[in-house]
Amino acid sequence: DAGITQSPRYKITETGRQVTLMCHQTWSHSYMFWYRQDLGHGLRLIYYSAAADITDKGEVPDGYVVSRSKTENFPLTLESATRSQTSVYFCASSEEGWAEAFFGQGTRLTVV
Amino acid sequence: QQQVKQSPQSLIVQKGGISIINCAYENTAFDYFPWYQQFPGKGPALLIAIRPDVSEKKEGRFTISFNKSAKQFSLHIMDSQPGDSATYFCAARRNTNAGKSTFGDGTTLTVKP
Repeated sequence: DAGITQSPRYKITETGRQVTLMCHQTWSHSYMFWYRQDLGHGLRLIYYSAAADITDKGEVPDGYVVSRSKTENFPLTLESATRSQTSVYFCASSEEGWAEAFFGQGTRLTVV
Repeated sequence: QQQVKQSPQSLIVQKGGISIINCAYENTAFDYFPWYQQFPGKGPALLIAIRPDVSEKKEGRFTISFNKSAKQFSLHIMDSQPGDSATYFCAARRNTNAGKSTFGDGTTLTVKP
């Protein structure tokens, strides 16, 4: 199915562990983004990528690592998870920098 | 520094009523103002958007009103329906940076039958 998919949908991990959230899109969109959404708050940009092998920091990048070796994939890694990283994470993609972004269904991450 | 302030945090409206959500922004470089609708367990989806060269945009029951001098914009949902119950986010960005939107904190709308 065409679209943008995130996996896993739910994840529980322990403090200090490394965890990777996956994002895959089938549109061949150039741009991909990672946001986090915390209760009572809007979305905050973590990292974004304009193309394969091109990534840049967003508003809240500390504690996160991204890579983009292929256009369709944009994994987000928490190198050493902390409780403050408990959140819902959304991946999004857009065709061009000016085009509207389409969001995945989110990954709910709980760090215990 | 919160660049986009959204109010109210929650809103309860009777079916058939008008729902109004307000946002104010600070950065005068913003030139694109989308509204997103998010249902529980889903990602946000673009609902309607406006650029500052117009004061109003209407799509069906949804209308954005934009006041450039006051740096404010609002979403009006006419004839609100229970199916409109969702969280609504306003956002603002430079038009050339699709993903670098600054979001408001969201408004949870409940439309009672």
